[in-house]
Amino acid sequence: SSELTQEPSVSVALGQTVRISCQGDSLRSYYASWYQQKAGQAPLLVFYGISDRPSGTPDRFSGSTSDNTASLTVTGAEAEDEAEYFCSSRDTSGQLLLFGGGTKLTVI
Amino acid sequence: DVQLVESGGGSVQPGGSLRLSCAASGFDFSDSEMNWLRQVPGKGLEYLSYIGTSGSTKYYADSVRGRFAISRDNAKDSLYLEMQSLRAEDTGVYYCAVGGYPLRYWGQGTLVSVSA
Repeated sequence: SSELTQEPSVSVALGQTVRISCQGDSLRSYYASWYQQKAGQAPLLVFYGISDRPSGTPDRFSGSTSDNTASLTVTGAEAEDEAEYFCSSRDTSGQLLLFGGGTKLTVI
Repeated sequence: DVQLVESGGGSVQPGGSLRLSCAASGFDFSDSEMNWLRQVPGKGLEYLSYIGTSGSTKYYADSVRGRFAISRDNAKDSLYLEMQSLRAEDTGVYYCAVGGYPLRYWGQGTLVSVSA
């Protein structure tokens, strides 16, 4: 298997841009997916693949990948974006999924 | 609308067993890959198991292989997780989720507590 590493927390001023990163060897082979989890709620898919955003995800959310690092960018953060964000990819076997430890995003 | 409703959680002693269910609606369950994950409250997500559309393909994380069994009943639009030899470290909220990758929809979860 492998691991995905995320920074535990980031903060962003209201209306500014923030990037959340995810690092791991599996990202050299598989695109990341990103999940938003608000307190007391189930995770919600917000971005995946090269440029795929589920319906309902605001277009201020975007993603990118370079080498072994995937990033989720929130352009013009809003108060409602405050949440924990988890990255995920397939593991090296391709059978199971890996999750990062999560990044707590605070909008100040 | 897609709905996934987990049930069957509860408190159990170490070494005990539980069977979790996930009732699905709002999508073609029989044509959908399904998964189980768990989360210790306040902690990260742990992927547990995958099952293909027919039920013949199954994968397990090392932490649960040999103790947990995933299954599905396409006639009942239901997913199951049979859990045996439960340990304290199996405590958490258990989620079912739709999709091979990514996981497009998640249920609200059911809490499993393993303690003496």
